[in-house]
Amino acid sequence: KNEVEQSPQNLTAQEGEFITINCSYSVGISALHWLQQHPGGGIVSLFMLSSGKKKHGRLIATINIQEKHSSLHITASHPRDSAVYICAVRSSGNMLTFGGGTRLMVKP
Amino acid sequence: ETGVTQSPTHLIKTRGQQVTLRCSSQSGHNTVSWYQQALGQGPQFIFQYYREEENGRGNFPPRFSGLQFPNYSSELNVNALELDDSALYLCATQTLTNTEAFFGQGTRLTVV
Repeated sequence: KNEVEQSPQNLTAQEGEFITINCSYSVGISALHWLQQHPGGGIVSLFMLSSGKKKHGRLIATINIQEKHSSLHITASHPRDSAVYICAVRSSGNMLTFGGGTRLMVKP
Repeated sequence: ETGVTQSPTHLIKTRGQQVTLRCSSQSGHNTVSWYQQALGQGPQFIFQYYREEENGRGNFPPRFSGLQFPNYSSELNVNALELDDSALYLCATQTLTNTEAFFGQGTRLTVV
């Protein structure tokens, strides 16, 4: 079993839909990152969380430390949101352990 | 723009050859980590350098080695390339006081 599990692996939505991507982890962490990866490979950091909730524009990230679970929400989704969304946890030694990613496609 | 630059962006090598990938970052980002991302998978931790010393290593053989320089740039060296080494190689840098990670665009290595 991987230390970081994401669901779903693939997600197709219509423009305007509310989207939720889930991340569960099994290790103790100091922080959790939500990352966005576009075709071509570059990774952009969306959020870094250690507790509670953060919001940036149409993106909202929440984390429940007791349940070892985090969610990334996208409101009013748009085709430009199409990308791979990756959850990564920071544990001992400051290294990141990544989930397998969720491939999101938003259709117009 | 993350301030982290990787070179080259694409590279094709022959099995058995050696390759050096480079990463440069902003001043003060004294921790650099390298990751391997196979197609369709999440990145896997290779190793981390802090103040020019290896500070952690993932499950990769010794033919994967690295260097970090005083100007915060870093290299990933892979010897005796194998076909399975074909992947996207990412570096991520961070400061000591801020665990936010800044990623480069990656180097896509193809071994034929």
